[in-house]
This record gives sequence, C-alpha cells and structure tokens, in this order.
Amino acid sequence: GAGVSQTPSNKVTEKGKYVELRCDPISGHTALYWYRQSLGQGPEFLIYFQGTGAADDSGLPNDRFFAVRPEGSVSTLKIQRTERGDSAVYLCASSLFAQGISGNTIYFGEGSWLTVV
Amino acid sequence: AQSVAQPEDQVNVAEGNPLTVKCTYSVSGNPYLFWYVQYPNRGLQFLLKYITGDNLVKGSYGFEAEFNKSQTSFHLKKPSALVSDSALYFCAVRDMNRDDKIIFGKGTRLHILP
Repeated sequence: GAGVSQTPSNKVTEKGKYVELRCDPISGHTALYWYRQSLGQGPEFLIYFQGTGAADDSGLPNDRFFAVRPEGSVSTLKIQRTERGDSAVYLCASSLFAQGISGNTIYFGEGSWLTVV
Repeated sequence: AQSVAQPEDQVNVAEGNPLTVKCTYSVSGNPYLFWYVQYPNRGLQFLLKYITGDNLVKGSYGFEAEFNKSQTSFHLKKPSALVSDSALYFCAVRDMNRDDKIIFGKGTRLHILP
C-alpha cells in the first residue's frame, strides 16, 4: 500500500481482556517496528522484525505482550490480560532495509489508540 | 545504549521569526539522526535525516538541521516560522554500528504565535 496501515484506529477494552492490533506495512518493506507512545511522551520501542523473525524484542514490557509476523508482511501485536496502564497509542512503522547501512528512514502509521477501562 | 535529549518541553516563536528546536544525542558509534513531526491525533511524519556528508541537512516544509559532532547535537531550524508549523517535534537516533531500532526523545511542542 501507499503507507503503513494500522487497524483498529481506536479500541476501548475492559481491563483483563485480550486485544489484537494489526499493522500492514508499506509494500516491499522488510523491516517492521512497533512503538508505544503514552501521553506527553516520545515513542517507546517495543519490537522489530526483519522478515518473519523478531530481530529485537527487548522493548516488550512483559510477557503479556507478544507480536507476530508470520508471512513477513502484516504484523499483529497481541496484549493479554490488559491493564489500565497499557492505555497508549501503539505505533507501527516499516522501512525498506533493517540494517542501517544507508540510514533507511522508518515510516509510521497513524497509530492504534488503545484505552483500557 | 543510545539516547536522545530534547531539553525544551515547549518552544514559543512569533510567526516570521527563525526557530530552533534543540536535540542532543548519545551513541557509542556513529549516529544516524532523524527529525519527525507529529500533528494532533496523527502518526509521526518524517522531516529529515543525517547519515553522512554535509553537516547541514535540508528537509520537508523548509526545515533544516545541523549536525555537530563535537557537541553531539542535531538542532532543528527554520528561517521563518509559520503558524502551521505548530506541532510536536521528535528527534531520534540510531547507532550506525549496532542494531536497527531508533530511539526517540520525549518531544518538544512548538507553538508559533500569529
């Protein structure tokens, strides 16, 4: 597609429920990133994929968070047993290459706004 | 580990005046540096980046940034501010010699006063 697409754009869920957030990267981009942005803060790195594999998941806050990219394109961020503190904007981004040889730009989607009540 | 500091939470500039948004970084190797802008309820939009070469980088909407290795800074500038430049600006860094994640600063809110 022309840009990074994220669905849903808004999600309100009850505490304790399971949530899935979907990201469709720019066509042909091999690297895909998930960030989380809380109000008044900068984006916080969660995980990035090169192809189908998670190359770095060091930013996932705990084992309630998991992400997959089974075919190397669309990715799903999964949050189990949601807590109120999970409320944030979840941003997905993609880039053409993962290795920073040429400083490839990361392009962001519009984000999925998650509210846990 | 790499890090980014944006020392100003908010910058106010009168329309037509030059603007500067400050950014300093820390990486163990050589940096790739980026500026992104975020409008209300929107995702991040890429403005410009420094990879190598000229220290003055020109980007979208008339913005530019100057890489200063000795001061480890990458300040964003524009010669003449527009009201429409009002937004949240993020500086980001990637260590050229390490993994591929980009680390963002906390952001600076720019207010252009008419």
